[in-house]
Amino acid sequence: DGGITQSPKYLFRKEGQNVTLSCEQNLNHDAMYWYRQDPGQGLRLIYYSQIVNDFQKGDIAEGYSVSREKKESFPLTVTSAQKNPTAFYLCASSSFGTGPIGAFFGQGTRLTVV
Amino acid sequence: QKEVEQNSGPLSVPEGAIASLNCTYSDRGSQSFFWYRQYSGKSPELIMFIYSNGDKEDGRFTAQLNKASQYVSLLIRDSQPSDSATYLCAVNRKNRDDKIIFGKGTRLHILP
Repeated sequence: DGGITQSPKYLFRKEGQNVTLSCEQNLNHDAMYWYRQDPGQGLRLIYYSQIVNDFQKGDIAEGYSVSREKKESFPLTVTSAQKNPTAFYLCASSSFGTGPIGAFFGQGTRLTVV
Repeated sequence: QKEVEQNSGPLSVPEGAIASLNCTYSDRGSQSFFWYRQYSGKSPELIMFIYSNGDKEDGRFTAQLNKASQYVSLLIRDSQPSDSATYLCAVNRKNRDDKIIFGKGTRLHILP
């Protein structure tokens, strides 16, 4: 089945730790995105990538890092510099194509600081 | 001014009635517009997209776009309790800086 896989579903981080959230897609999509969602908030863009080995900061990139070494993979690292990382993290992908196709989401990773 | 604005709700609609959800956007260069449905604790699901002025219908859903007014809406006919969810409006500029920007969403509650 084609889709986007995020892992793990739940993740607990201790203060001062870096953690990495995995996102893999087999849809052959060019673009991939990371969003953060807090209760009562919409989706805020952290980073996005349109092509391998290239990515751009979104609105809330501070304290996060990404890589795009393969078209299928776009891991997100939440660093210790992110002071309030507890949130629902959503990875998405989309294809430029010739018409609008929208972004398709993985199941999300819920990160909690303990 | 926020890039994509939606009324947070909750919007309460009786079962069987028409639910009307609205969204405005600030960037006149926006070209593609999407509606997502998100159930509590789940990831968003794409339900409609539109890129031409006018109406686009898909089953019980109709998306409406007015680029001159920078306004997108979603109508849900014959509302069902299963339609109770948060509806997110998203906008894409479809150029080199190809971000997809989301509004905060409108919570819809269908009253049985």
